[in-house]
Amino acid sequence: GNSVTQMEGPVTLSEEAFLTINCTYTATGYPSLFWYVQYPGEGLQLLLKATKADDKGSNKGFEATYRKETTSFHLEKGSVQVSDSAVYFCALSPGTSYGKLTFGQGTILTVHP
Amino acid sequence: DSGVTQTPKHLITATGQRVTLRCSPRSGDLSVYWYQQSLDQGLQFLIQYYNGEERAKGNILERFSAQQFPDLHSELNLSSLELGDSALYFCASSVGTSRNTYNEQFFGPGTRLTVL
Repeated sequence: GNSVTQMEGPVTLSEEAFLTINCTYTATGYPSLFWYVQYPGEGLQLLLKATKADDKGSNKGFEATYRKETTSFHLEKGSVQVSDSAVYFCALSPGTSYGKLTFGQGTILTVHP
Repeated sequence: DSGVTQTPKHLITATGQRVTLRCSPRSGDLSVYWYQQSLDQGLQFLIQYYNGEERAKGNILERFSAQQFPDLHSELNLSSLELGDSALYFCASSVGTSRNTYNEQFFGPGTRLTVL
């Protein structure tokens, strides 16, 4: 079946540090890939997406590239801010589904001033 | 604010009881999804409805059921509750549903269920 694996967390960084959160997936066909962010006490928000191989999703300084050869979709940001502290989820939607999402386990990011 | 509302925000109940969680999708969205977020299982897809009809089913227990009403709001019914059902239950909605197209899902704030 489909699955998503994220790097073990939590991740603690100082402000302006470089962020990488690893994500790899297993899926049949051609899935779409997503990063969602969950701020404390809130629901999930779509951060960025990529729908085909080599696509790069980007938003708010975050980027992730769909790498089919390595089945990966790693999230990166060049300079994190305290306001980026949240839980980040990698997810996929199989190409032959009606849109249901399969999520990774989530990575807690804490950024200190 | 995503435009998706969920009630109640918190729910505390006892084992063996039955509860109903309610979700109102964004205006114009026809598709509703339910997800369960727990410490041991993570975020799991439960079930999806589109315009009143069940469209996809995930790891939903037989003790759980859902429906989508003509006004498009949805309810998730959980019965014979067990301690392990304690979790955050999210509803999400999207404009439509197409077998080969992803429609962005907008998530509600969730209902936190505690079973004592």
